[in-house]
Amino acid sequence: SQQGEEDPQALSIQEGENATMNCSYKTSINNLQWYRQNSGRGLVHLILIRSNEREKHSGRLRVTLDTSKKSSSLLITASRAADTASYFCATDTQGGSEKLVFGKGTKLTVNP
Amino acid sequence: ETGVTQTPRHLVMGMTNKKSLKCEQHLGHNAMYWYKQSAKKPLELMFVYNFKEQTENNSVPSRFSPECPNSSHLFLHLHTLQPEDSALYLCASQGGDVYGYTFGSGTRLTVV
Repeated sequence: SQQGEEDPQALSIQEGENATMNCSYKTSINNLQWYRQNSGRGLVHLILIRSNEREKHSGRLRVTLDTSKKSSSLLITASRAADTASYFCATDTQGGSEKLVFGKGTKLTVNP
Repeated sequence: ETGVTQTPRHLVMGMTNKKSLKCEQHLGHNAMYWYKQSAKKPLELMFVYNFKEQTENNSVPSRFSPECPNSSHLFLHLHTLQPEDSALYLCASQGGDVYGYTFGSGTRLTVV
């Protein structure tokens, strides 16, 4: 069953601009993760934020988590053409078995 | 390379064929997963293995048969597939203190 749902489905920006993607989920979580997928390839783990954390940074990535709203956002600052990819959030559900449930993803295009 | 290797990268098979997908990791991870990625749908978890034991079968049709002979290898045996089974099949592993999954590049399967 789908847990995370990303918004928007597609996003097109110019190089140098910031890109913000949102994720909403339905049930209580242990952690939320963001992944990136280049076309036709496997997913690459970007960042994990635990349910007791509100914000986390990694390089040009900033992730926020609001458990009261069951939502997260991924901000990519100073985007580059190489950031063009699909981005997925995934949740590790509390009380469930060890598995991640992914959303449909946001397709980001960064125009040079 | 991510450390998770999937073969073959591409596979075209008829509906009466039998084929197998292979996944291999030497990261020391104890959990391995099969996901199916179809166009415009979220990643679908198919099977979960922990220490070679299957811990989850997500209502997958019996024409898909997983096998995990050891913690480093995972197979997906395919027989009498349908055209709607055409998709990107992704293998992932996870283990130790690292919560994020490591994905292979996937097998692009086309059923004709």
